[in-house]
Amino acid sequence: KAGVTQTPRYLIKTRGQQVTLSCSPISGHRSVSWYQQTPGQGLQFLFEYFSETQRNKGNFPGRFSGRQFSNSRSEMNVSTLELGDSALYLCASSLEGITYEQYFGPGTRLTVT
Amino acid sequence: EDQVTQSPEALRLQEGESSSLNCSYTVSGLRGLFWYRQDPGKGPEFLFTLYSAGEEKEKERLKATLTKKESFLHITAPKPEDSATYLCAAPLAGANSKLTFGKGITLSVRP
Repeated sequence: KAGVTQTPRYLIKTRGQQVTLSCSPISGHRSVSWYQQTPGQGLQFLFEYFSETQRNKGNFPGRFSGRQFSNSRSEMNVSTLELGDSALYLCASSLEGITYEQYFGPGTRLTVT
Repeated sequence: EDQVTQSPEALRLQEGESSSLNCSYTVSGLRGLFWYRQDPGKGPEFLFTLYSAGEEKEKERLKATLTKKESFLHITAPKPEDSATYLCAAPLAGANSKLTFGKGITLSVRP
């Protein structure tokens, strides 16, 4: 079974721009969660989507948004990029949600200059 | 405040030297305690889920245990390939739940 895939793997953007990251979950998984990982803050939960609906949300500003499509694929968007948004963005999929085991993709490394 | 704390931040072991990694949690109504392994430049890899105090799970040289306040990841006779960052996580209670991760423990095993 194919794992979680994320595109692109690396991205360099300028402050003020916006960015869209994509995640394809494991086949059959309905839950997709997004995380931001930085050396200082560690892994932080952004939000979870289940059956095209945002079910849970972390403590991030409204510049961070996401969506899920009917095939469970998900996208995450960050608008008005700030230098502090530089991080590894990880997507994870699960059969039913965050109270079940999750399988992570390799991440997208975003650098904001 | 619900939180997940891991200690120590880093641990260096000699090959074959067994040890334990600690994960303390203050989460009301625990709905699972998860352990992950993360290698540099990669996404976390699922290891174990524990749901109730007293539960134990094993995989090769790793054994995870759970009490009402802590979880331990015991590493028996580690090998250099066990070097990685080990993360624990728990979903917080509430209508708007979120999965909270500890900062991780970076384990280095010297040959």
